[in-house]
Amino acid sequence: NAGVMQNPRHLVRRRGQEARLRCSPMKGHSHVYWYRQLPEEGLKFMVYLQKENIIDESGMPKERFSAEFPKEGPSILRIQQVVRGDSAAYFCASSFSDQETQYFGPGTRLLVL
Amino acid sequence: LAKTTQPISMDSYEGQEVNITCSHNNIATNDYITWYQQFPSQGPRFIIQGYKTKVTNEVASLFIPADRKSSTLSLPRVSLSDTAVYYCLVTGSSNTGKLIFGQGTTLQVKP
Repeated sequence: NAGVMQNPRHLVRRRGQEARLRCSPMKGHSHVYWYRQLPEEGLKFMVYLQKENIIDESGMPKERFSAEFPKEGPSILRIQQVVRGDSAAYFCASSFSDQETQYFGPGTRLLVL
Repeated sequence: LAKTTQPISMDSYEGQEVNITCSHNNIATNDYITWYQQFPSQGPRFIIQGYKTKVTNEVASLFIPADRKSSTLSLPRVSLSDTAVYYCLVTGSSNTGKLIFGQGTTLQVKP
């Protein structure tokens, strides 16, 4: 049973470009969470999605960031017009339900030049 | 949301038992205590979860006293590869899905 998959593992973007991060949850999991980890800091919750619905986006910056989890396909975290401060590791986690253990993917490391 | 407090860092030597204590004074009745391990450049890895008394798996043991205001993660006979950051989290109904990570405890295992 494959774990949570994220791609790309590394992403380099120039200021002003768009970044798209993908997350495929574990088989059978319909709950997806995105977290961001800035250098030398702990993980910060960004958004919680269940198939086709955003359940909690209290940790998402109000501008430039969006997330979706369509009926078919992976969850996407989209960052428009990236800035250097967006450079971080972005982790996705999935769970069977909101009360079950979350399992994390390997992360996508975004570097904004 | 229940907040957790744990030591910033700990040092140990190979072969020793390591105990990391976490306090969570405001834990709610329906909350669990969950521990994750994170190596550099990797995602957090679930270690163990418990509600009360003692839980043991192939990796660690978790001790939770009756008042549940604290918990202790015990790693038996650590090796160099156990060098990592360990996060204590309170999970359950009070968090409604999202995990609240603190600074974690950086464990350095020396030869």
